[in-house]
Amino acid sequence: ETGVTQTPRHLVMGMTNKKSLKCEQHLGHNAMYWYKQSAKKPLELMFVYSLEERVENNSVPSRFSPECPNSSHLFLHLHTLQPEDSALYLCASSQERDYEQYFGPGTRLTVT
Amino acid sequence: AQSVSQHNHHVILSEAASLELGCNYSYGGTVNLFWYVQYPGQHLQLLLKYFSGDPLVKGIKGFEAEFIKSKFSFNLRKPSVQWSDTAEYFCAVNDMRFGAGTRLTVKP
Repeated sequence: ETGVTQTPRHLVMGMTNKKSLKCEQHLGHNAMYWYKQSAKKPLELMFVYSLEERVENNSVPSRFSPECPNSSHLFLHLHTLQPEDSALYLCASSQERDYEQYFGPGTRLTVT
Repeated sequence: AQSVSQHNHHVILSEAASLELGCNYSYGGTVNLFWYVQYPGQHLQLLLKYFSGDPLVKGIKGFEAEFIKSKFSFNLRKPSVQWSDTAEYFCAVNDMRFGAGTRLTVKP
């Protein structure tokens, strides 16, 4: 399999649940990203990892916790989310920072 | 702080019309510039990019963009749009700053 994959594709969770989103890239890239895409809002950068080290955290609430165990995998751990966190969560990777990004299909998250 | 502005939120054109989508950025350093496209139900994908050299860059599907440094702009153009160009278009600066997107609807 090639490109950037994300699982699950759809997730419905209650406000007290704990879940994780997974992203895997098969491109040999060194940088990985989490974005939040909400209807009628700009794409919001959440986290950036470069060579498995977090290099940016854009004031994201602590109920979102990223993890990058190696250069191919990126997780987003979720706990005690709010309904306004419902959105499409996109993962992307790039060869290096500031290079073009390759996006996954996203996880459609609904918080009830 | 870096920022990217896309002036048009929704553009509606008829097939064969010419397209120009505006993108302005605010950043004082070296920039890499990108246009991404998201077709309905599909991934975001790269349309074209500018790193250096010729400021007029050509991308896939007949799209091009011109980097005008003095205007901090990187507008996207296509001389004749097709129905299949209906999508959302995002301008981006470096690896993290995306514009709000422009939704393009092409009527057959």
